[in-house]
Amino acid sequence: QVQLVQSGAEVRQPGASVRVSCKASGYTFTAYDMHWVRQAPGQGLEWMGRVNPSSGATDSAQKFQGRFTLTTDTSINTAYMEMTSLRSDDTAIYYCARARSPDSGSHLYWGQGTLVTVSS
Amino acid sequence: DIQMTQSPSSLSASIGDIVTITCRASQSVYSYLHWYQQKPGKAPKLLIYAASNLQGGVPSRFRGSGSGTDFTLTISGLQPEDFATYYCQQTHRTPRTFGQGTRLDIK
Repeated sequence: QVQLVQSGAEVRQPGASVRVSCKASGYTFTAYDMHWVRQAPGQGLEWMGRVNPSSGATDSAQKFQGRFTLTTDTSINTAYMEMTSLRSDDTAIYYCARARSPDSGSHLYWGQGTLVTVSS
Repeated sequence: DIQMTQSPSSLSASIGDIVTITCRASQSVYSYLHWYQQKPGKAPKLLIYAASNLQGGVPSRFRGSGSGTDFTLTISGLQPEDFATYYCQQTHRTPRTFGQGTRLDIK
């Protein structure tokens, strides 16, 4: 069955960088975009961007452009989200998510989430 | 960006009630509208895709309707496990924005 397993919680100081991984299994990794969604404590869901593992093409919300990089390693079926110049308001749970079908936008499969805490 | 506005932001209801949550888009998203349920400490769960299609395994008491800019999620006959936060999301345009959420509590 489809599984998305994310890396563990991270603590960073303001200005630092973080990379979160999402290992996929149970399907053809290159057939589906991988999306990233974050949720600040007590807040709603925020779509950040997506990456096409086959082409490497990315698409992201403007607010994250410049500090945010999405990549994949197709040899190990893993997607990565890297964020630089971290601020306290980047403290959130970061989720990877996959669509229910290649032509669907809805996110059926989700990772368990990775808490990133930015604090001095 | 397309703004998604849910109403109400919170709602109290009793077991067995029928509840309706609405989601309005700032411009047409056609039927590219999906509904999720999230419980504390858990990842969101897809309930309804493409406005009105019930995801497999989701109870039939959940129903989605609408197109264009106005959408509703109706839960008929609330069960204890339905008390959660609900989000709509449009996937017509990037960024694929979510509504702010509707928290459904037990009255």
